[in-house]
Amino acid sequence: KAGVTQTPRYLIKTRGQQVTLSCSPISGHRSVSWYQQTPGQGLQFLFEYFSETQRNKGNFPGRFSGRQFSNSRSEMNVSTLELGDSALYLCASSARGLGGRETQYFGPGTRLLVL
Amino acid sequence: KQEVTQIPAALSVPEGENLVLNCSFTDSAIYNLQWFRQDPGKGLTSLLLIQSSQREQTSGRLNASLDKSSGRSTLYIAASQPGDSATYLCAVIMDSSYKLIFGSGTRLLVRP
Repeated sequence: KAGVTQTPRYLIKTRGQQVTLSCSPISGHRSVSWYQQTPGQGLQFLFEYFSETQRNKGNFPGRFSGRQFSNSRSEMNVSTLELGDSALYLCASSARGLGGRETQYFGPGTRLLVL
Repeated sequence: KQEVTQIPAALSVPEGENLVLNCSFTDSAIYNLQWFRQDPGKGLTSLLLIQSSQREQTSGRLNASLDKSSGRSTLYIAASQPGDSATYLCAVIMDSSYKLIFGSGTRLLVRP
């Protein structure tokens, strides 16, 4: 079974632009979560989607948004990029929507550099 | 507010040594705790998940223990190998949500 895939793997943008990142979960998984990883702040939770609904959201500004499609694929969008948005963005999928009782499987990440 | 701390931040050991990585958390009302491994520039690989009602989990050379009352977890790696070199992260979930709260990680180097 294929793992979690994320596209693109690398991205360079300039301040003020917007960006869309994509995540395809493991086949059959219905929950997708997004995390931001930076050297200064470590790994921080962005949001989680299950069956096209956002169930949880972290403490990030409204410039960060996401959505999930009927095939469970998810996208996250960052508008008006800032230098501090440079990070590794990771998504994770889980199978049954059982919250903390399930293992989350992570993708390889998208590395975003904002110049 | 839950805080997760991992000590040491970095560790260098010779091949074959048994080692222990530590994770502590401030709020003992966790739902579960997971240990992950991250190779440089890569995503996370789940190693072990311990439910709040469990005391330990084992997978191969890895053994993770959980003591909720004291707010601690340890990851024991037996007979370490150079391929074990990576950053090890622990994370807790406070409720039935998917919000993992991560520690800052322990960077492990196993020298041949």
